[in-house]
Amino acid sequence: DTGVSQNPRHKITKRGQNVTFRCDPISEHNRLYWYRQTLGQGPEFLTYFQNEAQLEKSRLLSDRFSAERPKGSFSTLEIQRTEQGDSAMYLCASSFDGVRELGGYTFGSGTRLTVV
Amino acid sequence: GDSVTQMEGPVTLSEEAFLTINCTYTATGYPSLFWYVQYPGEGLQLLLKATKADDKGSNKGFEATYRKETTSFHLEKGSVQVSDSAVYFCALITGTASKLTFGTGTRLQVTL
Repeated sequence: DTGVSQNPRHKITKRGQNVTFRCDPISEHNRLYWYRQTLGQGPEFLTYFQNEAQLEKSRLLSDRFSAERPKGSFSTLEIQRTEQGDSAMYLCASSFDGVRELGGYTFGSGTRLTVV
Repeated sequence: GDSVTQMEGPVTLSEEAFLTINCTYTATGYPSLFWYVQYPGEGLQLLLKATKADDKGSNKGFEATYRKETTSFHLEKGSVQVSDSAVYFCALITGTASKLTFGTGTRLQVTL
């Protein structure tokens, strides 16, 4: 078990460019989540998958954002036409069903996006 | 909607001091409560949890008790170490909801 892996760790992009992040969850976990964390704030929920199905999306996830989880394994988060307000840490987490009983998620180290 | 309120930081303590980080919540339904810790340069790690009233979560010398009557889940440690310096997040999940709701985090700095 190598934990939740996120790539890249850091990304600097020019405003208006598209970016894509990747998350590899713990292999046995069927749920995968994306969160966004801005400086001085707690993580905010963006979206989650159960296996390959995207079951919930936050209002924070504008139409410039899209997430996929083909085959229920790794996931990608794409941001189109980036804006400076997209600058944040993007966190991925995974869990089994029944997170209440099993004690929470396992988070990756995050991808820090800076839009200049 | 659900929300979590944490005391503002930073909290600066000397090594071996007693730590309390306050956390209160507002939730529809009956939440499970968590404390996560984020060490510099690392991801969030689950520190402890409690799933029902009066449960006490504990780990690495940290404790928190689920108090339904005061809607609180304060984090305590009897004697902090420099290695405890990190940001601590209180969080909750309610019902069958799939997402954690986090507080804004409290930075703890422990000095020698």
